Amino acid sequence: QKEVEQDPGPLSVPEGAIVSLNCTYSNSAFQYFMWYRQYSRKGPELLMYTYSSGNKEDGRFTAQVDKSSKYISLFIRDSQPSDSATYLCAMSAAPWLTSYDKVIFGPGTSLSVIP
Amino acid sequence: EPEVTQTPSHQVTQMGQEVILRCVPISNHLYFYWYRQILGQKVEFLVSFYNNEISEKSEIFDDQFSVERPDGSNFTLKIRSTKLEDSAMYFCASRGQGWNSPLHFGNGTRLTVT
Repeated sequence: QKEVEQDPGPLSVPEGAIVSLNCTYSNSAFQYFMWYRQYSRKGPELLMYTYSSGNKEDGRFTAQVDKSSKYISLFIRDSQPSDSATYLCAMSAAPWLTSYDKVIFGPGTSLSVIP
Repeated sequence: EPEVTQTPSHQVTQMGQEVILRCVPISNHLYFYWYRQILGQKVEFLVSFYNNEISEKSEIFDDQFSVERPDGSNFTLKIRSTKLEDSAMYFCASRGQGWNSPLHFGNGTRLTVT
């Protein structure tokens, strides 16, 4: 089983739709979860990060973590054409008081929002 | 907003040549990373660096790779003898102190080995 799996897409939605992007993981040591957006030939750009289970909202974006199911989601409300990009989930074990952990990325989901 | 900067944006080199990829992390960050992304594939961890030494490296980061922080601002990745399969986007990233400090990435250097 791969350490982090992600629906590959591509996903195509009409403008204004609600988008749900999902990742599953196998390593129960992961505690720190991130979503990055990557435009073509650019570096990943941090969208949201969360620690432990629960929801976190930032504008049109909501990140959800369910550690018991090893499942995380990113919801985008009122999607815009400018949201068209590849979305990467990422996670790390983040041991307390150290940063020696490495961040593991999912393979990414390609999203197109059609005007 | 402070950002991670990488140079050059594109590097073309011949197989067997040495290349140095350069990065300037965010100024108050303490932890530095190199990742690579082969075209169409996922972002892969190469190495993490803290307090002037490597803290962790992946199996990709073999003896042909090295990292250095030659001064207070630059962080470099050297590939001693490039191979065709080293062609990829190389991303530098940095993070601040604290367990909840997220990674910030540069825009990458596209390395093409011919």
